[in-house]
Amino acid sequence: DAKTTQPNSMESNEEEPVHLPCNHSTISGTDYIHWYRQLPSQGPEYVIHGLTSNVNNRMASLAIAEDRKSSTLILHRATLRDAAVYYCILNTGNQFYFGTGTSLTVIP
Amino acid sequence: EADIYQTPRYLVIGTGKKITLECSQTMGHDKMYWYQQDPGMELHLIHYSYGVNSTEKGDLSSESTVSRIRTEHFPLTLESARPSHTSQYLCASSELGNRGKEKLFFGSGTQLSVL
Repeated sequence: DAKTTQPNSMESNEEEPVHLPCNHSTISGTDYIHWYRQLPSQGPEYVIHGLTSNVNNRMASLAIAEDRKSSTLILHRATLRDAAVYYCILNTGNQFYFGTGTSLTVIP
Repeated sequence: EADIYQTPRYLVIGTGKKITLECSQTMGHDKMYWYQQDPGMELHLIHYSYGVNSTEKGDLSSESTVSRIRTEHFPLTLESARPSHTSQYLCASSELGNRGKEKLFFGSGTQLSVL
């Protein structure tokens, strides 16, 4: 069974914020939450990760629920180059467990 | 900037052939991984390595084998390719140590088609 569940697809208008949700109800106390994105014909690339606290970097923000059973990746202003499949991943220490991902479409 | 390279990018081969997919990284990372990805599906871990002479099987059963003789090189071999092996194969690496800072760096992948 997948350790993370995400909606299959989402749409956003260009220049607007996007909130990509992820559920990870079986997360353990030491698992890190990672987000990667994959553009067509490329390998996934790192976006952001965190353990308990919310995180910000130049690409995005990560909001982690207090019980850590869900998280949300926030793209503050979607651009056409943000169209990709976004994966929510648990890093258990030995392995990175990928979900099925959310395909984000950005509408001009 | 990630420096991890996979060759070939695309490979079409007949059933029964032996193939080796190459993966090299120049970042000095100890951990390396092979993932398999079918179209529209999640990535499944098939092999990983903690360093030289270390190889482990992932969650997804695979008929492939790997070797890690040098830190920078982690080739994947299929002794006898079959149509069921048709898939995209992604290589990745990460630094071993502080889990709080561990990130995966991926190559561009090898798209394998077995006829």
